Amino acid sequence: AQSVTQLDSQVPVFEEAPVELRCNYSSSVSVYLFWYVQYPNQGLQLLLKYLSGSTLVESINGFEAEFNKSQTSFHLRKPSVHISDTAEYFCAVVWNNNNDMRFGAGTRLTVKP
Amino acid sequence: EPEVTQTPSHQVTQMGQEVILRCVPISNHLYFYWYRQILGQKVEFLVSFYNNEISEKSEIFDDQFSVERPDGSNFTLKIRSTKLEDSAMYFCASTQVLDTQYFGPGTRLTVL
Repeated sequence: AQSVTQLDSQVPVFEEAPVELRCNYSSSVSVYLFWYVQYPNQGLQLLLKYLSGSTLVESINGFEAEFNKSQTSFHLRKPSVHISDTAEYFCAVVWNNNNDMRFGAGTRLTVKP
Repeated sequence: EPEVTQTPSHQVTQMGQEVILRCVPISNHLYFYWYRQILGQKVEFLVSFYNNEISEKSEIFDDQFSVERPDGSNFTLKIRSTKLEDSAMYFCASTQVLDTQYFGPGTRLTVL
């Protein structure tokens, strides 16, 4: 069965600390990988995506994620977080044998001063 | 930049009533989706729609649910007889083809 696993439901960190939000997925076919961010009381916004090419992808606000095919992972990282990064982060996968997206359970990142 | 829009932003209804949630996908997109998010929980896939028919649906999408693209711009989700457990945020999304899904801001459905 196709599944997306986000191992940490909550990640509290202090401002300016590094953070890694983990995402693993089941895979028997090639995939497209996404991270979406949901700020409080808002909808889902695309943070970054991997479709093909370089396995390291970056967002405009300093996040990056690396596609690791052998480990079926797409972990999200930021070297120094800000208070404004406090949000829920969802990993999402589209398996290339269909066009349907499945989400992980989400990781609530809380950045403390 | 084009965006997906959804109306209303908040819908309150009585249990057993029918509701229709409306979405206007991005104009040149071909695939359309509905998701729901129960408060504090994960985003769950409901249904995908392509070429005027359902291409896939989840176990959540039972006979109480239906989708329609009544004209060239709107994409609707109907719940025939709402239940308390249907209370959630409902997100519409669209994509051109096998690429990024763009999400609307959501409709918060509250069933009393």
